[in-house]
Amino acid sequence: EDQVTQSPEALRLQEGESSSLNCSYTVSGLRGLFWYRQDPGKGPEFLFTLYSAGEEKEKERLKATLTKKESFLHITAPKPEDSATYLCAVRDSGNTPLVFGKGTRLSVIA
Amino acid sequence: DAGITQSPRYKITETGRQVTLMCHQTWSHSYMFWYRQDLGHGLRLIYYSAAADITDKGEVSDGYVVSRSKTENFPLTLESATRSQTSVYFCASSDRRGRSYEQYFGPGTRLTVT
Repeated sequence: EDQVTQSPEALRLQEGESSSLNCSYTVSGLRGLFWYRQDPGKGPEFLFTLYSAGEEKEKERLKATLTKKESFLHITAPKPEDSATYLCAVRDSGNTPLVFGKGTRLSVIA
Repeated sequence: DAGITQSPRYKITETGRQVTLMCHQTWSHSYMFWYRQDLGHGLRLIYYSAAADITDKGEVSDGYVVSRSKTENFPLTLESATRSQTSVYFCASSDRRGRSYEQYFGPGTRLTVT
């Protein structure tokens, strides 16, 4: 049973075209929702942690939000260097390991 | 430099051979993890460790062995490699700061089993 589902699988944007990536989750007691960025041939790089519905975090052109069932990663006026795979993960109540979604592969075209 | 390192970065081995992938972190983090990443599956947990001499199985632990005699090292051994173990392997570490458990990843080891 999938606990974390990311959509879309792939997204192609023009430079400056804002959009959102979705991460929906089903866990009994959320202890944290994590966003990572992964460049080809590299390990995932930590971006944000969100803990409760209504929480928001920002970093440059990225803004992550959280509801009781899903999280969005909003990308405002993206640049080609934002091209990467974005991974979402959750930590369930009582469990230490994170459960990852399969990621969204973002391509930003100049 | 502080951080998490993996070695080797690339490895080609034959079916049936034993292979050990190394992971070393300099942050003194309590937790360490091993994942494999395959197309269509994303990151899947193999094993994790909460402290030296404490290890637990993850989702895909069959065919793998781990040990953790020192906090900073967490080697992963494939006892008898199979083609299905061809993958990219990532090591990660984390520590508790308040309620935070974010994991920090190494650069990965690309393993090919022929």
